[in-house]
Amino acid sequence: EADIYQTPRYLVIGTGKKITLECSQTMGHDKMYWYQQDPGMELHLIHYSYGVNSTEKGDLSSESTVSRIRTEHFPLTLESARPSHTSQYLCASRGALGQGMNTEAFFGQGTRLTVV
Amino acid sequence: RKEVEQDPGPFNVPEGATVAFNCTYSNSASQSFFWYRQDCRKEPKLLMSVYSSGNEDGRFTAQLNRASQYISLLIRDSKLSDSATYLCAVRLMDTGRRALTFGSGTRLQVQP
Repeated sequence: EADIYQTPRYLVIGTGKKITLECSQTMGHDKMYWYQQDPGMELHLIHYSYGVNSTEKGDLSSESTVSRIRTEHFPLTLESARPSHTSQYLCASRGALGQGMNTEAFFGQGTRLTVV
Repeated sequence: RKEVEQDPGPFNVPEGATVAFNCTYSNSASQSFFWYRQDCRKEPKLLMSVYSSGNEDGRFTAQLNRASQYISLLIRDSKLSDSATYLCAVRLMDTGRRALTFGSGTRLQVQP
């Protein structure tokens, strides 16, 4: 089983609120990712990180921001939530330093966000 | 054109059937390939990596065809519990970020 955790699992929040989705992993993985997935649709990469103090935007434009101050922690923040942000957000991590290139990504259970 | 494309679903098959999924990728620099399984409203979980020589894990066989740029997943003797969405994932080694790019998934429904 993967040791990667997301909180909260479900969040219903009003428009304009600031929210932070938490993601933590205890596997010592240097690479972490945030994907967004609408029901029945594909996963889209919105942010990724190679390691501490390294963050980059992914393929899908997102109004969210991320930070990587500690290896194990990769929170995602929305400064002002809107209904268009309603989606499932999945965090993933991969490969500790020194591991091979073919290492798979492990996913957290996801946060299902609804902005009303 | 999408970077990773999969067979459209859903596939409705009877128990015991053999079913095959294909997935094509557009970037020839792709180096790592995976099949993930995603149950409804759950996170994707790795089913198997795909190696150049092809690989098998019980009832599941994965193959890679670099010349035609596709990977396949074969499921033999389908079980009801195999019902899920199967996602193929590809990693490009030349981008530096090494994130997985996913296909949109193929839904499998195994019927009694």
